[in-house]
Amino acid sequence: GENVEQHPSTLSVQEGDSAVIKCTYSDSASNYFPWYKQELGKRPQLIIDIRSNVGEKKDQRIAVTLNKTAKHFSLHITETQPEDSAVYFCARGSTLGRLYFGRGTQLTVWP
Amino acid sequence: DARVTQTPRDKVTEMGQEVTMRCQPILGHNTVFWYRQTMMQGLELLAYFRNRAPLDDSGMPKDRFSAEMPDATLATLKIQPSEPRDSAVYFCASGLVGPPYNEQFFGPGTRLTVL
Repeated sequence: GENVEQHPSTLSVQEGDSAVIKCTYSDSASNYFPWYKQELGKRPQLIIDIRSNVGEKKDQRIAVTLNKTAKHFSLHITETQPEDSAVYFCARGSTLGRLYFGRGTQLTVWP
Repeated sequence: DARVTQTPRDKVTEMGQEVTMRCQPILGHNTVFWYRQTMMQGLELLAYFRNRAPLDDSGMPKDRFSAEMPDATLATLKIQPSEPRDSAVYFCASGLVGPPYNEQFFGPGTRLTVL
């Protein structure tokens, strides 16, 4: 239905390794897929987004891929750093402009 | 660097008291969202407005919560009477929504504690 499933709920990686977070959805009308990063005690911040007419988008060490046929999208962080540690939320946008969020992934990057 | 602002940042109150939270959206944005964040429920959408008109408030407990946009620069979320289960961080977000734009930008949040 409306929800977005996000996995894993927690992820621990060594500094320098890659991290991948995956989200799935079921509403085929969704056309906008943002990712937010929330540090402890701070606001969620938009870090990257992708629209349904694009399969991949990259911004320095972060990239997002979208498979509309399979209805899943993923966040990839390469060369992770301790400052990447945060909770990451995926979301899908509805035709009315609201966002449906996943439950979040707590990423911890160990130095 | 335009940002959404919220006041107060922290609020501690006693059960039964009225709480009013305020939000100033980014100038030019046409849509304002109110979210509640808790560990158990994650990010929940409470209500949202487009051009100051309420679009959906189905996420709000109607008996005690109310949301308004008295003008384009102010959105308010009111709880009366407050209960301990209302303790959470309340975020306001704004965006210029309409094809091709969907981005939402969050304010710093109001941390509410109801004793």
